[in-house]
Amino acid sequence: SAVISQKPSRDICQRGTSLTIQCQVDSQVTMMFWYRQQPGQSLTLIATANQGSEATYESGFVIDKFPISRPNLTFSTLTVSNMSPEDSSIYLCSAGDATYEQYFGPGTRLTVT
Amino acid sequence: GEDVEQSLFLSVREGDSSVINCTYTDSSSTYLYWYKQEPGAGLQLLTYIFSNMDMKQDQRLTVLLNKKDKHLSLRIADTQTGDSAIYFCAERGDSGAGSYQLTFGKGTKLSVIP
Repeated sequence: SAVISQKPSRDICQRGTSLTIQCQVDSQVTMMFWYRQQPGQSLTLIATANQGSEATYESGFVIDKFPISRPNLTFSTLTVSNMSPEDSSIYLCSAGDATYEQYFGPGTRLTVT
Repeated sequence: GEDVEQSLFLSVREGDSSVINCTYTDSSSTYLYWYKQEPGAGLQLLTYIFSNMDMKQDQRLTVLLNKKDKHLSLRIADTQTGDSAIYFCAERGDSGAGSYQLTFGKGTKLSVIP
């Protein structure tokens, strides 16, 4: 199994600012993803983080708002740009490999005031 | 698009069995997953089942899959107060491109009464 850590674990940010969330996996993985979980809701996929190329975004999410980097097979970042209160959510990183198991990080709890 | 449905709440007495149900619409689903989320925590992978299986057992957990009806269930035997959490069903379709994207249900909140 993969162990995933995220930083920061939580943050309170002012509207209009940006926050970069880091995701570190303890082993090389094929796929990394970023999800959003709004309060009391299920998980919504934001994008697939592709190693060495631009991320693949889901409908409703754009690169200018959620730029993603994945410089290698164990690390990715998600930036939430120009934040508004509607961006207050839990942001979760996940990673999958050839065994089809997919693991999640502990999440970053973001509050935008 | 794909859809995954779950009942939102389940309440059971400690020591009883819990059965959490899930239905999905994607007939090309290859893997189906159960995750557990405790308050303030991330998602813990409990178990998963490949679509060509109809049952998988792991200690107190039993997963049943009815592929014809696109119905998945998670049975927890001898439910304990520590099992109180939200349980998410998720499916992975076969995109043919090696994608591992998961589609999640809204989660079932399991409350265990001592």
